[in-house]
Amino acid sequence: QVQLQESGPGLVKPSQTLSLTCTVSGGSISSGNYYWSWIRQPAGKGLEWIGRLDTSGSTNYNPSLKSRVTISIDTSKNQFSLRLSSVTAADTAVYFCARVVDKWNYFYFDYWGQGTLVTVSS
Amino acid sequence: SSELTQDPAVSVALGQTVRITCQGDSLRSYYASWYQQKPGQAPVFVLYGKTNRPSGIPDRFSGSSSGNTVTLTITGAQAEDEADYYCNSRDSSGYHYVFGTGTKVTVL
Repeated sequence: QVQLQESGPGLVKPSQTLSLTCTVSGGSISSGNYYWSWIRQPAGKGLEWIGRLDTSGSTNYNPSLKSRVTISIDTSKNQFSLRLSSVTAADTAVYFCARVVDKWNYFYFDYWGQGTLVTVSS
Repeated sequence: SSELTQDPAVSVALGQTVRITCQGDSLRSYYASWYQQKPGQAPVFVLYGKTNRPSGIPDRFSGSSSGNTVTLTITGAQAEDEADYYCNSRDSSGYHYVFGTGTKVTVL
């Protein structure tokens, strides 16, 4: 059973960089043709896709966040990471990591982390 | 447009049928997937296409598609189905994912 766990600071100051890591257990992050993705959810609001990467490190980002987002992978640690720069209060949200099965004509997020709350405040 | 629009809320009597719709231009070209989210929990994958459910998801959940609209149907809604539901598909480029605005389902 694949499990994902987010980790990182719960409080980030405005204008700084938010950094989160997702640790994958129960399987190798390199095995299978999966994408690995970040999604966020402000309190009381809907889900927003942030971006994804594959095991070769190829990435795609939400156009609305692209200038501030970097997603990377460390296969030796079975982890992938999110960096979001120049944060503001609008970036306060629960951040989820997830695995993506993408067969082009269909796709779905099959495994999710439990989510971690990141608050942007001075 | 890359937006996916859902009704904010619907209600259903216990044991009855509820349909949750998701509209967007990209749905004319791409399949959608559906997620159930209960308060304080991560979303759970429910379905993609018509009947492609992961193990553990009851067969009372089904999907359909017509034009720019996809529908998640819960036939014989149970109390445990009360949750927020989100559709998900690609934007017009095909390389970015988009979530719907979400629908809160209340089981009466």
